[in-house]
Amino acid sequence: GAVVSQHPSRVICKSGTSVKIECRSLDFQATTMFWYRQFPKQSLMLMATSNEGSKATYEQGVEKDKFLINHASLTLSTLTVTSAHPEDSSFYICSATYRGPSTDTQYFGPGTRLTVL
Amino acid sequence: QKEVEQNSGPLSVPEGAIASLNCTYSDRGSQSFFWYRQYSGKSPELIMFIYSNGDKEDGRFTAQLNKASQYVSLLIRDSQPSDSATYLCAVHLSGYSTLTFGKGTMLLVSP
Repeated sequence: GAVVSQHPSRVICKSGTSVKIECRSLDFQATTMFWYRQFPKQSLMLMATSNEGSKATYEQGVEKDKFLINHASLTLSTLTVTSAHPEDSSFYICSATYRGPSTDTQYFGPGTRLTVL
Repeated sequence: QKEVEQNSGPLSVPEGAIASLNCTYSDRGSQSFFWYRQYSGKSPELIMFIYSNGDKEDGRFTAQLNKASQYVSLLIRDSQPSDSATYLCAVHLSGYSTLTFGKGTMLLVSP
């Protein structure tokens, strides 16, 4: 099946530092990837849509200068949390769109748990 | 406003029973429908998708779609304690790359 990986799985950083999270589609090419954030016991929140070779589309209320997204290739998208603060601590999950014969399907990565001290 | 509605639960069923999870959606242009399972602290994993009216079976799981009534359901037969998780319904609208997710239904299967 379609596999999506994320790295790192867990990161702890000091306030003010930047953190980069990688999302890779391992066995398929994904023109579109998505970044979500999920706080404990809350729903998935879509942050942005990442398209290969173009600028990401951010959801309302998500600061594009704080959450930098780069979709460098058909198998790699990165999310950089710049100048991280404790309120950015969350579970960040990417997904990638697999174009099947009957429908497009989103497969999720395992997620990255970010803790900002 | 595209909306996907799910009962938050928890839905409690005994081991071996059939669990029935329901989802309604507002946009008649919706094309594809997905069920994901999310264990606590983990990311969602795809269970199955459906895009034609009727039933689609995969092992212990059956997805049911009724476009006229705008609902999609997931049946889990012979429920196991390991099925205890939050089940997310997601809808894909033609022409849009994003999925619209419901808030999920928590399922608890007691031994």
